[in-house]
Amino acid sequence: QKEVEQNSGPLSVPEGAIASLNCTYSDRGSQSFFWYRQYSGKSPELIMFIYSNGDKEDGRFTAQLNKASQYVSLLIRDSQPSDSATYLCAVNEGYSTLTFGKGTMLLVSP
Amino acid sequence: DAGVIQSPRHEVTEMGQEVTLRCKPISGHDYLFWYRQTMMRGLELLIYFNNNVPIDDSGMPEDRFSAKMPNASFSTLKIQPSEPRDSAVYFCASSSRKGFWANTGELFFGEGSRLTVL
Repeated sequence: QKEVEQNSGPLSVPEGAIASLNCTYSDRGSQSFFWYRQYSGKSPELIMFIYSNGDKEDGRFTAQLNKASQYVSLLIRDSQPSDSATYLCAVNEGYSTLTFGKGTMLLVSP
Repeated sequence: DAGVIQSPRHEVTEMGQEVTLRCKPISGHDYLFWYRQTMMRGLELLIYFNNNVPIDDSGMPEDRFSAKMPNASFSTLKIQPSEPRDSAVYFCASSSRKGFWANTGELFFGEGSRLTVL
């Protein structure tokens, strides 16, 4: 069974700092990787996806993928208190479904 | 546009009672997913449908759980009889085949149904 592992946190960073969130996955055949953000009491929402080794940037967010190490990360630059949430890493299973990690809670203090 | 709509938002029931959760996916989406989220196990896929047909129900914990999708705009998840260990947030999500083939992997989640079984 495919596994997606994340440190549960909480990861605490001061406002303006870089937050680094990490994820490892078990299936070498996985091709697509996603980061969802979930605010407390709310539903998950997609913020980034990455398919190729290397970095992908979108505003303050950068996703990094290393397939050889089976490692995905999300960097959040200039962290804001509004970034405080749980970040879920997800990996594709075939073309239809996603397997989610348990998530890392991020706390950004003013 | 309306998103995925779930009801009820909160349900408190007693052990042994039947629980029915409802979901209306986004119009035009041909995939529908039921997930369960708990602190201990995270977000788990229970079952998913494609064009109203159940494709994979291997995540359904046991026979007490059943799901149906009688048409493209409605799905139910039923628990009978309910047990305290079923307490969780149940999310319905939908997506389009076109989206997945484009590999965006975007699932659109409803607000969730928080179930408490006493």
